[in-house]
Amino acid sequence: SSELTQDPAVSVALGQTVRITCQGDSLRSSYASWYQQKPGQAPVLVIFAKDKRPSGMPHRFSGSSSGNTASLTITGAQAEDEADYYCNSRDTSGHHFVFGGGTKLTVL
Amino acid sequence: QVPLQESGPGLVKPSQTLSLTCTVSGGSINSGGYYWSWIRQHPGKGLEWIGYIHYRGTTYYNPSLKSRVIISVDTSKNQFSLNLSSVTAADTAFYYCVRVDFVHAPMVSYFFDYWDQGTLVTVSS
Repeated sequence: SSELTQDPAVSVALGQTVRITCQGDSLRSSYASWYQQKPGQAPVLVIFAKDKRPSGMPHRFSGSSSGNTASLTITGAQAEDEADYYCNSRDTSGHHFVFGGGTKLTVL
Repeated sequence: QVPLQESGPGLVKPSQTLSLTCTVSGGSINSGGYYWSWIRQHPGKGLEWIGYIHYRGTTYYNPSLKSRVIISVDTSKNQFSLNLSSVTAADTAFYYCVRVDFVHAPMVSYFFDYWDQGTLVTVSS
């Protein structure tokens, strides 16, 4: 399968921890990357190679993976974390990329 | 930083070819082993990978678009381009040019690290 499945929407109380998941067969053989997109802006890389943060990305963002599921965890969510989050990986062919449908995160 | 800047028309007529060019101004397009990709997003929808190219010319395309897509590179101008033929209203979207980097962690992992600001291309007569 070349699909990645995400929950359409997740909410979290300010300062609490939230996990956003991404499921797909390709994740058994390919690491996920995660992207944050705020309204009217281009996506921004949040996590790559399963659990690595780009320079400057806050430590409250972390990534993990188990089996066919990759997770993005925000520990101590801030108001500015409210955004759409997309997972991505190579597909099962190894030559193409596939995105998850995105998760809209609301910080309450 | 690796600034990426798109250029191209924001309006394309149905059945014509959508053409966009991305200029890489923060480094050489043929250094580092990077790939260069196009990604689009229909208004209010999710991200869709279109394809990518290596400066040596290797290309891979989204199977759903492969019959209509050509991505090319011009190393002398530090640019890569997207041509999408026979467009319809369904091709109206924001188009992003993006750099693809990779790490060995331990298996090779690819990711999109630099994005341009995106261009809305509308297909309409």
